[in-house]
Amino acid sequence: AQSVTQLDSQVPVFEEAPVELRCNYSSSVSVYLFWYVQYPNQGLQLLLKYLSGSTLVKGINGFEAEFNKSQTSFHLRKPSVHISDTAEYFCAVTTNTGTASKLTFGTGTRLQVTL
Amino acid sequence: DTGVSQNPRHKITKRGQNVTFRCDPISEHNRLYWYRQTLGQGPEFLTYFQNEAQLEKSRLLSDRFSAERPKGSFSTLEIQRTEQGDSAMYLCASSFWYNEQFFGPGTRLTVL
Repeated sequence: AQSVTQLDSQVPVFEEAPVELRCNYSSSVSVYLFWYVQYPNQGLQLLLKYLSGSTLVKGINGFEAEFNKSQTSFHLRKPSVHISDTAEYFCAVTTNTGTASKLTFGTGTRLQVTL
Repeated sequence: DTGVSQNPRHKITKRGQNVTFRCDPISEHNRLYWYRQTLGQGPEFLTYFQNEAQLEKSRLLSDRFSAERPKGSFSTLEIQRTEQGDSAMYLCASSFWYNEQFFGPGTRLTVL
């Protein structure tokens, strides 16, 4: 079974500052990794995904993440945040074996951007 | 294509009542998933369908929960004899095989 740990429950940051949201995973098999964003009272929107290939993946809204297999991490970064980036961010993992592609999510990181 | 839709968006019910939620996936998607999200937590997998077949159920899905996907299109999730612990956001997602899952807006259930 796989698991995801998001080390920070809340990350406060000033607008235009850089931010990193941390995600570590555990799995005995190869994984696919995802970052989702959730705005209040809405569903989840995919920011980016790592399936294979380049370990640096770029997503929407200027976000990027780097897959580090040796450290089992998939941290999310943005060089300059906006007020509109305030939301809950979830890291998720699924395996590429078996018939199911169910996602296992972390507990989320609340990004709070202020002026 | 309007994405994944869920109805109702909000449901308030009294303990012991039955409730049913509906999910309409993106039309060409053959896989449909149900997740539950409680306050301050990430979504947790409940069950998934490939076309009309329910292929996996989480141990979180007690015998009071039942899900169907007749004809491989929309899906319903029914909770019988609701308990206060069932209060949560119920999220539906769909995908085409192993491709990315697209989530609906969710149904927020409050059990009084």
